Amino acid sequence: GNSVTQMEGPVTLSEEAFLTINCTYTATGYPSLFWYVQYPGEGLQLLLKATKADDKGSNKGFEATYRKETTSFHLEKGSVQVSDSAVYFCVTGTASKLTFGTGTRLQVTL
Amino acid sequence: DTEVTQTPKHLVMGMTNKKSLKCEQHMGHRAMYWYKQKAKKPPELMFVYSYEKLSINESVPSRFSPECPNSSLLNLHLHALQPEDSALYLCASSQGLAGGPYNEQFFGPGTRLTVL
Repeated sequence: GNSVTQMEGPVTLSEEAFLTINCTYTATGYPSLFWYVQYPGEGLQLLLKATKADDKGSNKGFEATYRKETTSFHLEKGSVQVSDSAVYFCVTGTASKLTFGTGTRLQVTL
Repeated sequence: DTEVTQTPKHLVMGMTNKKSLKCEQHMGHRAMYWYKQKAKKPPELMFVYSYEKLSINESVPSRFSPECPNSSLLNLHLHALQPEDSALYLCASSQGLAGGPYNEQFFGPGTRLTVL
């Protein structure tokens, strides 16, 4: 089955710092790739997605590029805000299931 | 309407109680899901319904009983739960089964369940 490895947290950054959260995956076939975000006390929201190699997903200043050669889907943002504090999950989707990474907690301080 | 709603938001129940969690979506999605999420962990898939039929049961104990009365509604019936079943229960829906290019899952806010 699929598996997802993402960097351990928590990640603590000052406001306006650059963010990278690393994610690599193993999968059979050609999975879709997603980043979901979970704010404290809430459900999961889809942040961005990519469905084929070299696709770049982007939303709210976040970006991630589907790299088939390195099986990676790293999340980046040029300037984080306090409101970005949340848990970020890297996810693959094939067949009828999503496979979640363990999640990375981001804490942004003033 | 791109929302998945779940009720109740919080639920406290004893080990002998029977209760139900409800989930609703009006996006015309044909696949619906139940997940269980423990603190500081990713969601774990429990059940998948496709076109109102149960298509995946991830070896969930029988004290959890899902039901899909129609294409918009999904219930999770709870009976004789254990304290370790305390968790956030998330419902999700997708246009079809997950993994296709347009089949991202939309999640509800969850029901926080405490079993005493």
